[in-house]
Amino acid sequence: AQTVTQSQPEMSVQEAETVTLSCTYDTSESDYYLFWYKQPPSRQMILVIRQEAYKQQNATENRFSVNFQKAAKSFSLKISDSQLGDAAMYFCAYRIPKGAQKLVFGQGTRLTINP
Amino acid sequence: DAGITQSPRHKVTETGTPVTLRCHQTENHRYMYWYRQDPGHGLRLIHYSYGVKDTDKGEVSDGYSVSRSKTEDFLLTLESATSSQTSVYFCAISVGAGVVGADTQYFGPGTRLTVL
Repeated sequence: AQTVTQSQPEMSVQEAETVTLSCTYDTSESDYYLFWYKQPPSRQMILVIRQEAYKQQNATENRFSVNFQKAAKSFSLKISDSQLGDAAMYFCAYRIPKGAQKLVFGQGTRLTINP
Repeated sequence: DAGITQSPRHKVTETGTPVTLRCHQTENHRYMYWYRQDPGHGLRLIHYSYGVKDTDKGEVSDGYSVSRSKTEDFLLTLESATSSQTSVYFCAISVGAGVVGADTQYFGPGTRLTVL
């Protein structure tokens, strides 16, 4: 069974600094997709970034980038120039492109931004 | 905004009563999902639908049923609510990227359900 593990229940960072959130996953599949979702206090689940496993290049979206290490089954999220609005729960998720195509989520990391 | 609404947004009910949550989408996407979110578990799949009247179970489907009579609506029913079903429920749709299997899921705003 596929599992996703986020080993950091909570993280904090100073405003304008850089922070990295960790995620590891376990799978026997070779073709899959990885995602980071953000959940602010409003409870809305917001897609931050996605990565296709077949792509070697790490995905980036403005201040958000990932470090995808396929052999190590690691998918970390780096937030540069942290802003107060980045404070939220961050969830790592995994999906295979067949069957239900369901998302398998990690337990989440709560990120606090210190002004 | 992926055009997903959920109703109600909040509900308090008593043990043993039936409850129906509604998910509505405006863009005719084929796949729809119901997840529940509990502390320490992230989101877990309850049921999903891959078309009108086509549904299947997820990993935590016990005590829940679903129906999809129209493309735009996906209903989640708790036949007899229990306290263990107190949770936040999210609906999601799968939006295609033009490549088979490359969809991304977008979520509705969630429904907080409390069963007393």
